[in-house]
Amino acid sequence: GQNIDQPTEMTATEGAIVQINCTYQTSGFNGLFWYQQHAGEAPTFLSYNVLDGLEEKGRFSSFLSRSKGYSYLLLKELQMKDSASYLCAVIRITGGGNKLTFGTGTQLKVEL
Amino acid sequence: NAGVTQTPKFRVLKTGQSMTLLCAQDMNHEYMYWYRQDPGMGLRLIHYSVGEGTTAKGEVPDGYNVSRLKKQNFLLGLESAAPSQTSVYFCASSYSRIRVPNQPQHFGDGTRLSIL
Repeated sequence: GQNIDQPTEMTATEGAIVQINCTYQTSGFNGLFWYQQHAGEAPTFLSYNVLDGLEEKGRFSSFLSRSKGYSYLLLKELQMKDSASYLCAVIRITGGGNKLTFGTGTQLKVEL
Repeated sequence: NAGVTQTPKFRVLKTGQSMTLLCAQDMNHEYMYWYRQDPGMGLRLIHYSVGEGTTAKGEVPDGYNVSRLKKQNFLLGLESAAPSQTSVYFCASSYSRIRVPNQPQHFGDGTRLSIL
């Protein structure tokens, strides 16, 4: 089976840095996505990791350690618009395509 | 630049009624998916399709049926709606893993369905 764990909620200050962790246990692991979802909207793609290490994309970075079953999303220079839910999703390659298993999401609140 | 379009956006049903949710994508994606999102549960896969005319069960398929008669459309049907199916339904699409490995899924804006 699969198990993905993320903190339920986090609060951070505008301009600060926040790290959102994700741990997973799954068979057939083939990568990990991070999505952002604002309230009442669709999830939108942020980052993808398949190899160990850090992937940087502007203010957002994502890290993966396959041996530890661990990833984190790092958000720098936080802005109020970054208040959203952040979803960790593990990719399993099956005969039916790249099936994703999602964590329950981390609700980030950015305060002044 | 429509991407993934879901209709309707909102719907209220009575227990036992039937309805069909429509998903349309204009990105020529081979794969399409239906998810439901419930508080504290995350996104869960209902059914998916790897190509026109093919469908398969996901994690929570009971009470739902799907059809993929055209590559760009993926329909989700509820034959006899139950209160437990009150949820937000998301459709997503992606390229096939053979053509473009590990491309992200693109999501529609969701359908908010309430069953009384």
